[in-house]
Amino acid sequence: EVQLVESGGGLVQPGGSLRLSCAASGFTFSSYWMHWVRQAPGKGLVWVSRINSDGSSTSYADSVKGRFTISRDNAKNTLYLQMNSLRAEDTAVYYCARDVAYCSGGSCVYYFDYWGQGTLVTVSS
Amino acid sequence: QSVLTQPPSVSEAPRQRVTISCSGSSSNIGNNAVNWYQQLPGKAPKLLIYYDDLLPSGVSDRFSGSKSGTSASLAISGLQSEDEADYYCAAWDDRLNGWVFGGGTKLTVL
Repeated sequence: EVQLVESGGGLVQPGGSLRLSCAASGFTFSSYWMHWVRQAPGKGLVWVSRINSDGSSTSYADSVKGRFTISRDNAKNTLYLQMNSLRAEDTAVYYCARDVAYCSGGSCVYYFDYWGQGTLVTVSS
Repeated sequence: QSVLTQPPSVSEAPRQRVTISCSGSSSNIGNNAVNWYQQLPGKAPKLLIYYDDLLPSGVSDRFSGSKSGTSASLAISGLQSEDEADYYCAAWDDRLNGWVFGGGTKLTVL
């Protein structure tokens, strides 16, 4: 059974740092791209970042670029999100999600097939 | 302001059919697949539809998706109380080089 379990959330002051973890099990973690998606209280889903299967390629939403760093440890089956210079607007539940490809006729499309339960990050003084 | 536009809420009676729209542009829906996610109250999102109209294993065939041009739709037939949830569309955006979501639609079964 595929499982994604986030941890590391909590209360942090503006300007502070936090590192989130996402422990994966039930599948070959090193074969999949992974993402972080966040959801501010009462708001919609917002994509944050993604990393490819071996960690050599990453991308970020403009809102977090230069402040957040996504990484992974395939030996530990764990995805990370290092968050620095945190702002009040970063307050949200952070979900990790697995990226899957569906390929047909020579082209592939992608989607998030499994999500973790989320971890709450609150940025406040 | 979300890149993809959804109605904030829809409502319909049990056993009826409802549709949720998702409007985008040529850089996202117009050129890439649309996926739909269901988020039950207090829960994580769950994949509902992928590649515009495909159902993952285990998802009820009461759910269906479609796409035309730069818009997509999710239809739910035979509404049940357990369908009350927030529904989100998503697509890759070639211009932003990232995933974009709709603002979400809250479905109320009357």
